[in-house]
Amino acid sequence: IGMTQSPATLSVSPGERATLSCRASQSINNNLAWHQQKPGQAPRLLIYGASTRATDIPARFSGSGSGTEFTLTISSLQSEDFAVYYCHQYNNWPYTFGQGTKLEIK
Amino acid sequence: EVQLVQSGGGLVQPGGSLRLSCSASGFTFINYAIHWVRQAPGKGLEYVSTISSNGDATYYADSVKGRFGISRDNSKNTLYLQMSSLRAEDTAVYYCVRERLAAAAGIFDYWGQGTLVTVSS
Repeated sequence: IGMTQSPATLSVSPGERATLSCRASQSINNNLAWHQQKPGQAPRLLIYGASTRATDIPARFSGSGSGTEFTLTISSLQSEDFAVYYCHQYNNWPYTFGQGTKLEIK
Repeated sequence: EVQLVQSGGGLVQPGGSLRLSCSASGFTFINYAIHWVRQAPGKGLEYVSTISSNGDATYYADSVKGRFGISRDNSKNTLYLQMSSLRAEDTAVYYCVRERLAAAAGIFDYWGQGTLVTVSS
């Protein structure tokens, strides 16, 4: 299953809202996760089941969608949120990832 | 605290072999399926392989099938990835990743720190 993220790069000011999109090439129900990766670090799970926050993830992170269209929203960007975000489908094997959206400071 | 501590990366010549290790702590290792995911320099994430909790089932991406072998020693809380016939395109940071216990398989909830494998002459 192909996963397409948009935009490739998103420039947003601290305190503003960021909306990242992920599209699957076929329905994946709600079997979608979002991971955050900062430079030089391993990815970290943010969201699974399309909308369930992982342990210790702040409430400003929210996920939505089902089928083929998904969204990750960060309601009020903090400095530590600027990173690369990957969507990941686990509905079908082999598991696949989007190419990533880089969230940068405007 | 869940920890996955990796070791074994390095520089290897094309056609060579390397074994990666991933030592787990902070959870009951035998209960969890574990995966390997890799990331080529400056690129995105690519699924590599999976092993079931008891080691009976293994899965491989087409790109590594027949060349890589995943295994685990539950008595040592350790996961392995034996890589052979390595190619330049296998150059990447390799992550071991725990699968969350859930109704749906494939949720990657904890990642190791990663280990760099460089295939070059």
